[in-house]
Amino acid sequence: QVQLQQSGPGLVKPSQTLSLTCAISGDTVSSSSAAWNWIRQSPSRGLEWLGRTYYRSKWYSDYAVAVKSRIIINPDTSKNQFSLQLSSVTAEDTAVYYCARDWAVAGTTFDPWGQGTLVTVSS
Amino acid sequence: DIQMTQSPSTLSASVGDRVIINCRASQSFNSWLAWYQQKPGKAPKILIYKASTLESGVPSRFSGSGSGTEFTLTISSLQPDDSATYYCQQGLTFGGGTKVEIK
Repeated sequence: QVQLQQSGPGLVKPSQTLSLTCAISGDTVSSSSAAWNWIRQSPSRGLEWLGRTYYRSKWYSDYAVAVKSRIIINPDTSKNQFSLQLSSVTAEDTAVYYCARDWAVAGTTFDPWGQGTLVTVSS
Repeated sequence: DIQMTQSPSTLSASVGDRVIINCRASQSFNSWLAWYQQKPGKAPKILIYKASTLESGVPSRFSGSGSGTEFTLTISSLQPDDSATYYCQQGLTFGGGTKVEIK
């Protein structure tokens, strides 16, 4: 059974960098059939996909256009986890952040999800 | 980018009712559409993928159908535990959600 466990601070100051980590059990971050995603949810934006990292003979990362200039998602094979860094945050980045696995080769299906981390951007 | 539009945004129904939630894509993408259930304070949970395949362990009262740009989630007999918000998803885009309340 695959499980994802998120960690990271719940409060970030404006203009600083939001950093979260998602630890994987029951699968490996370097799986050639999975992709590892970050998704956020806020009342104003709903569920918003932010980006993903995946291994297909080499590492790839894809990012949503809306955050592409500010986001980095990195795998950490030594700890079997992946991370999110979102820089220059503003109040609009306040949201619940989720990590999720996409296991479907023929399509996109997010399962499982991490428990979620409420990140508040405030001074 | 694909836009996913769900209707209705909220619905109230009685236990035992048949409930239908609609999801429309702005353009035809493929038949791989997923439905999720989310309860307050919890992460979304997969119910159905590939438009009509029931995830293991999900009650059989849930079913999905559709293709092209029109998809449907049906709850055949609404139960108290089904009170939640339901989301469709295709590609990297989610619908806006349908909140299901029990009368």
